[in-house]
Amino acid sequence: DAEITQSPRHKITETGRQVTLACHQTWNHNNMFWYRQDLGHGLRLIHYSYGVQDTNKGEVSDGYSVSRSNTEDLPLTLESAASSQTSVYFCASSDGTGIGTGELFFGEGSRLTVL
Amino acid sequence: GNSVTQMEGPVTLSEEAFLTINCTYTATGYPSLFWYVQYPGEGLQLLLKATKADDKGSNKGFEATYRKETTSFHLEKGSVQVSDSAVYFCALSYNDMRFGAGTRLTVKP
Repeated sequence: DAEITQSPRHKITETGRQVTLACHQTWNHNNMFWYRQDLGHGLRLIHYSYGVQDTNKGEVSDGYSVSRSNTEDLPLTLESAASSQTSVYFCASSDGTGIGTGELFFGEGSRLTVL
Repeated sequence: GNSVTQMEGPVTLSEEAFLTINCTYTATGYPSLFWYVQYPGEGLQLLLKATKADDKGSNKGFEATYRKETTSFHLEKGSVQVSDSAVYFCALSYNDMRFGAGTRLTVKP
């Protein structure tokens, strides 16, 4: 069955370190998204991609970067981790075309703690 | 920009009670609207959706109607069960997907 997987599921790091969260989907979806989930804020969009070599900033992109070198993967990099980036991160994908993204399929989340 | 506002929780109901979770949106153009549900320790999954005005989405006894005149997409269920306990997110899709803050529902036996 097609799926979307995130790794690691749990990560503890120190302030200032670079961290990369992996996201891999086998749906062959063009669209991929990264969100962070925090109490009181729901899900906030960090970055998204509509296809290979395409990346776009979301609502809360400062301190994060992504790259899309193939259809299956959209790794999220925290260049210099800060305590404010302690959160649960969700990757999602969809096959929506045109205006609107269609149904999103989510990974199980990656819990990141920055000490 | 596009945004979604949903009622704050938490919401606690007894089994078989009626549920309403309010959701309003702000958008340019004509977005699609969604309700997603998140069970403990899991990612979000689609509950229902509506793609144009006056559409009604429904699934597992839940319903929501796309009301363009009131820019709303309220979630309703006539009789909740303990298994409905989860966090519910209203979402709007135009060029990307924006979510509300989520409403935690607890249903007690």
